[in-house]
Amino acid sequence: KAGVTQTPRYLIKTRGQQVTLSCSPISGHRSVSWYQQTPGQGLQFLFEYFSETQRNKGNFPGRFSGRQFSNSRSEMNVSTLELGDSALYLCASSGLGGADEQFFGPGTRLTVL
Amino acid sequence: AQRVTQPEKLLSVFKGAPVELKCNYSYSGSPELFWYVQYSRQRLQLLLRHISRESIKGFTADLNKGETSFHLKKPFAQEEDSAMYYCALRNSGGYQKVTFGIGTKLQVIP
Repeated sequence: KAGVTQTPRYLIKTRGQQVTLSCSPISGHRSVSWYQQTPGQGLQFLFEYFSETQRNKGNFPGRFSGRQFSNSRSEMNVSTLELGDSALYLCASSGLGGADEQFFGPGTRLTVL
Repeated sequence: AQRVTQPEKLLSVFKGAPVELKCNYSYSGSPELFWYVQYSRQRLQLLLRHISRESIKGFTADLNKGETSFHLKKPFAQEEDSAMYYCALRNSGGYQKVTFGIGTKLQVIP
């Protein structure tokens, strides 16, 4: 099976702009989770989608949003970018969520100038 | 609120020495605990989970509910064990709300 893919791999934006990141889960997986990884905070949970529904949300401002499509692909959007949003954004998929193992993508490195 | 604490950002050990990566958690329910590993230039991947009670690459971890700990151990470190190790907790609701620790970098000195 092909692994989790994320596009783009690298992004450079300026403050105030918005950005959309994409994640394609492993075929057959229905749960997609997003994480923000920074050196100071480690991995922080953003949200999880299952069958197009957001089931869980972390403690991030409303500028961070996401969605999932019927083919389980997911996008996350960050509006009004701030310098502190610079991070590696990781996507992980699993079959049913719950007890299933999560498989991580390579991440999208976002730099906000 | 669920929280995972990894007190050491960096752990350096000599090859052949025992390894113990510490993880403590805070959670009011029955948690599911995991260890994830990220080798250089590779993706984050699951190493082991407490419900499996298995040994992977010589590593074991025992859930101690009394001490709220899930330390990762290996009796003899190998150079290829050098990596970032993350302890993670998933809430007992079964949904994928996973809280990660900040990670410990294990450096095995030849």
